[in-house]
Amino acid sequence: ETGVTQSPTHLIKTRGQQVTLRCSSQSGHNTVSWYQQALGQGPQFIFQYYREEENGRGNFPPRFSGLQFPNYSSELNVNALELGDSALYLCASSWDKAYEQYFGPGTRLTVT
Amino acid sequence: AQSVSQHNHHVILSEAASLELGCNYSYGGTVNLFWYVQYPGQHLQLLLKYFSGDPLVKGIKGFEAEFIKSKFSFNLRKPSVQWSDTAEYFCAVNGNNAGNMLTFGGGTRLMVKP
Repeated sequence: ETGVTQSPTHLIKTRGQQVTLRCSSQSGHNTVSWYQQALGQGPQFIFQYYREEENGRGNFPPRFSGLQFPNYSSELNVNALELGDSALYLCASSWDKAYEQYFGPGTRLTVT
Repeated sequence: AQSVSQHNHHVILSEAASLELGCNYSYGGTVNLFWYVQYPGQHLQLLLKYFSGDPLVKGIKGFEAEFIKSKFSFNLRKPSVQWSDTAEYFCAVNGNNAGNMLTFGGGTRLMVKP
């Protein structure tokens, strides 16, 4: 059974640019959630996708957007990057909306 | 809105000492509760979970946690820690009316001295 994978591992972008992060869910999982983890803090919920539809959103501005594909993989897009967007971005998948979430290794984004 | 507090930010123990990490949550309804662990250089792993039933739940690697509804707490325990337990521990809550959004505490960094 393959776990949750994310790409890329690290990314450096300049303020104002756009970035796309990718996530492949664990086999059999139809729900993907994205979290932002700033240094020294716990992860913060960005949004969740369930069967290709957004199923909840945290307190993040609209420049954070996402997609889920028919194979349940997912993308997180961030437009107009700000210095404060520098963080570890975590993807988690679950068998369904109400089940425990399994996390990937994350993408470390640095905005300069 | 749901929130989680982990009162101990850093804990240092010697091997074989007992461990208890505090976790308190704020939410008005039914909750699911989780402890995740992040070992150095590794990703978040589920340690244990509480959905319903017996409030004392057992997880992997000898960890357990007790849900005390009246105190809004879900403390993590281990009778005897090992050097390999050095990691950061996160408590998380998912309120049943909050979709499947996990709210995490700020984490507790545990260092076990050999």
